Parts: sequence; C-alpha cells; structure tokens
Amino acid sequence: SQTIHQWPATLVQPVGSPLSLECTVEGTSNPNLYWYRQAAGRGLQLLFYSVGIGQISSEVPQNLSASRPQDRQFILSSKKLLLSDSGFYLCAWTGGTEAFFGQGTRLTVV
Amino acid sequence: AQSVTQLGSHVSVSEGALVLLRCNYSSSVPPYLFWYVQYPNQGLQLLLKYTTGATLVKGINGFEAEFKKSETSFHLTKPSAHMSDAAEYFCAVTYISGGYNKLIFGAGTRLAVHP
Repeated sequence: SQTIHQWPATLVQPVGSPLSLECTVEGTSNPNLYWYRQAAGRGLQLLFYSVGIGQISSEVPQNLSASRPQDRQFILSSKKLLLSDSGFYLCAWTGGTEAFFGQGTRLTVV
Repeated sequence: AQSVTQLGSHVSVSEGALVLLRCNYSSSVPPYLFWYVQYPNQGLQLLLKYTTGATLVKGINGFEAEFKKSETSFHLTKPSAHMSDAAEYFCAVTYISGGYNKLIFGAGTRLAVHP
C-alpha cells in the first residue's frame, strides 16, 4: 500500500536560518506531489506542486522553494526563514482523483 | 478559476444534534469534490468524495454529502453528532489540468461538539 512520510514533525527555527522539510512516498511511482501550508486560523494554501523529477510549479510568490531530486522525494526549502513562514506544512500526493497527506510539520519561526 | 467556499469558519452543535457543514464550489469543468477531516496537529483524512455517479455520497464515521450541480454545493451532514467529531473539516475540489490533479481547499470549518 502507499504511504507518505514527512519529517520532522515539529521544528523551531530562528529568523534568518535555513529550512529543509522532506517528504517521501512509498508504494507508487511517478506521483503528483504537493506542498501545502496551513497558517493559524486559515485554510490550506497550495505552495508547490510537481508532476515529475525536476518539475516544480509555484502557486504563490514567497520565501520558499521546492525541489524534487527523486521520483518519490519532495523537499521544501528556504535560505532565510521569516516570521511569516510559521505554520503547519503538509505534503501530499495524488493517485487518481484522491489526495493522501503526510502527518505534517509544525514550523515555528522565532 | 476553480474555488471553494465554506460558509462558517466555526460551527457548534450539541451531542446528538444534526451536523451541517456548507460548501460551495465554482468550476468551469465537472469537478471532483471531497471532504477531509483534520484532528489537531495531524494530517488530513478523507471522509468522502464525489467523482461521478450517485450524487449522495456516504463516507466514514456516518458522514454523507450530496452533490447538487444546480446549486454548486456539496454540503456535509451527519444525523447525530458525537464528541469525537470535533475537528476541522475541509471541502476541496480537484480538476485535471495539463495531465495533473490540482486540489484546491476551502478555508475550513472548525466543528465543536458540546455535551
């Protein structure tokens, strides 16, 4: 069966520090992969999606970037974190018409 | 462009009462519609989905939703609320564009259930 792993579960980082969040999928090949952010009291905002290795599309201009170095690996990065980057980050993949989510990373920028 | 509107960011019901969470969508193509539930500090779990066929869709935990094309709605209901239903609920629409699925979420509705 397909599973999605996302880590770390929680992260506290100072302003200006770099960020790397990783997501991997098992049990499927060539998935569509997504990064969402959920800010406090707000819905889910689509940040990036990828349809294949090295293919990244950005939904909104921001301080973050994404990469897909392998078929089932999706990385969210930042060179210098801002306070506004705090939130709950979710990785997802779609199979057919349905999306499957990781357990999320709670990022607090201090 | 496709979008999803959830009416009411917070809904509070008594245990045993009807749960009704509202969702309206806009889509220029036939949509696939979903309801997800999120418990604190966890990922999203699929409750139910509509793709094609029967417009009344039954999901897990006693929830169901009805796709009404004329009203562009996909409201979520449950006849009798349980304390364990307290969570945040997201309506979503997906459509296929350029060979990939793009999943767009509403802002979410936080459901509180009180004794």
